[in-house]
Amino acid sequence: DQQVKQNSPSLSVQEGRISILNCDYTNSMFDYFLWYKKYPAEGPTFLISISSIKDKNEDGRFTVFLNKSAKHLSLHIVPSQPGDSAVYFCAASARRYGGSQGNLIFGKGTKLSVKP
Amino acid sequence: DAGITQSPRHKVTETGTPVTLRCHQTENHRYMYWYRQDPGHGLRLIHYSYGVKDTDKGEVSDGYSVSRSKTEDFLLTLESATSSQTSVYFCAISEDSYTDTQYFGPGTRLTVL
Repeated sequence: DQQVKQNSPSLSVQEGRISILNCDYTNSMFDYFLWYKKYPAEGPTFLISISSIKDKNEDGRFTVFLNKSAKHLSLHIVPSQPGDSAVYFCAASARRYGGSQGNLIFGKGTKLSVKP
Repeated sequence: DAGITQSPRHKVTETGTPVTLRCHQTENHRYMYWYRQDPGHGLRLIHYSYGVKDTDKGEVSDGYSVSRSKTEDFLLTLESATSSQTSVYFCAISEDSYTDTQYFGPGTRLTVL
C-alpha cells in the first residue's frame, strides 16, 4: 500500500516556464513533507520542506503548496532552468508521533526534463 | 555538502557471498540510515540507527543486518547476497531526530550475479 504517490513518472517543460510536480498521500498522520532532487549517479539532495501547520513555503524559485483536505502537495519551480532537470522525490513523515512513525516515506519520483 | 562517504561506490558480487557496505560521516550526527533505490520503488528504508549500538528495522530489512560501533560509521551487511538485492544503496544522516532533514551520501551501486 503506497502511502506517498507521485503519479507522473516524467514531466517535460520548456525553459523559463513553470514546472509543477505533484504528490498525493494517504496517511492522515503525516505532518511533515519534503522534496528532494536527485541527479544521476548522485545522492538525493534536500530541496524544500513544509509542515502541516502551513499551506505554502517558498525558497527562491521553489514553492511547495500543501492542501491537507485533499492530501495533496505540489512543488512549483519558476522559472524552470535546464539545470533543474533531475528526478524529484516527495517524502512524508508523521513527525509528531515520533519513533518509527517519524521515518520518511518516499514517493517513486518524477523525472523532470527542462528543455532549452 | 554534508561530509558523507560511502564505500565501495561500485561492487559486483556473486549470489551467496557476504557483502558489507560502509557509510562514514564527519558531521557527528546521531542518526544514520540505509536506503535502497530501485526502479519503480523510489527510496525504501532498510535499517536506521539512533546512536552507537542502537539500531532498528525499516521497511525492507529482510536479508540485511547493520552495525554501528562508532558514531561516524554505519555498516550494512548482506550475509548471503541474492539477485533481488541488486540495487543502489544510499546512506543518509540527520542531526536531531528521525525527521530532521536527512542528508544523503553518493550511493553504492551493487550488482549480484
